[in-house]
Amino acid sequence: NAGVMQNPRHLVRRRGQEARLRCSPMKGHSHVYWYRQLPEEGLKFMVYLQKENIIDESGMPKERFSAEFPKEGPSILRIQQVVRGDSAAYFCASSPERAGGPISYEQYFGPGTRLTVT
Amino acid sequence: GNSVTQMEGPVTLSEEAFLTINCTYTATGYPSLFWYVQYPGEGLQLLLKATKADDKGSNKGFEATYRKETTSFHLEKGSVQVSDSAVYFCALSVSGTYKYIFGTGTRLKVLA
Repeated sequence: NAGVMQNPRHLVRRRGQEARLRCSPMKGHSHVYWYRQLPEEGLKFMVYLQKENIIDESGMPKERFSAEFPKEGPSILRIQQVVRGDSAAYFCASSPERAGGPISYEQYFGPGTRLTVT
Repeated sequence: GNSVTQMEGPVTLSEEAFLTINCTYTATGYPSLFWYVQYPGEGLQLLLKATKADDKGSNKGFEATYRKETTSFHLEKGSVQVSDSAVYFCALSVSGTYKYIFGTGTRLKVLA
């Protein structure tokens, strides 16, 4: 069973460009989470999605950031008009849903995308 | 609010030394507790977990015990190896929620 996959692993963008980060959850997982790790800091929750639905985006910056998880294909985290402060590692995690109950507490993390804005 | 506090690094040890990385938490309800490890250039890997008070999580020689009375989840290993050099993150998940709260991470460097 392949793990959570993210691509690209490294992404370099100039200020003002757009960044698109992709995440394919583990097979059978229908819950996706995005986290951001700034240099020398822990991971911070950004957004939680299920297929075609944003459940909680309370950790997303109000402007320039958006996320989607379409019916088919990977989840996408999109950052428009990037600035230097967006340079960070962006991690995706996924979890299955427990039959008849709350979602699993255990999230499986991908390798991350390291975004560098020049 | 919910939070995790880890000891600051870096921690530098000689091979075969005893390791302790302190982690304390503040949480409403009954959290699950986790230790994740991040090797250089890689993502986070779950190292061990505990879901209720007095549970002990263990994996690859690492152990941590969920102590409700001291709100702690300290990571220990009896004899570290050079290959254990990495950043270690303590995290919690409060019952019924999906947001993981992470500590800032502790960098461990093991010298041969």
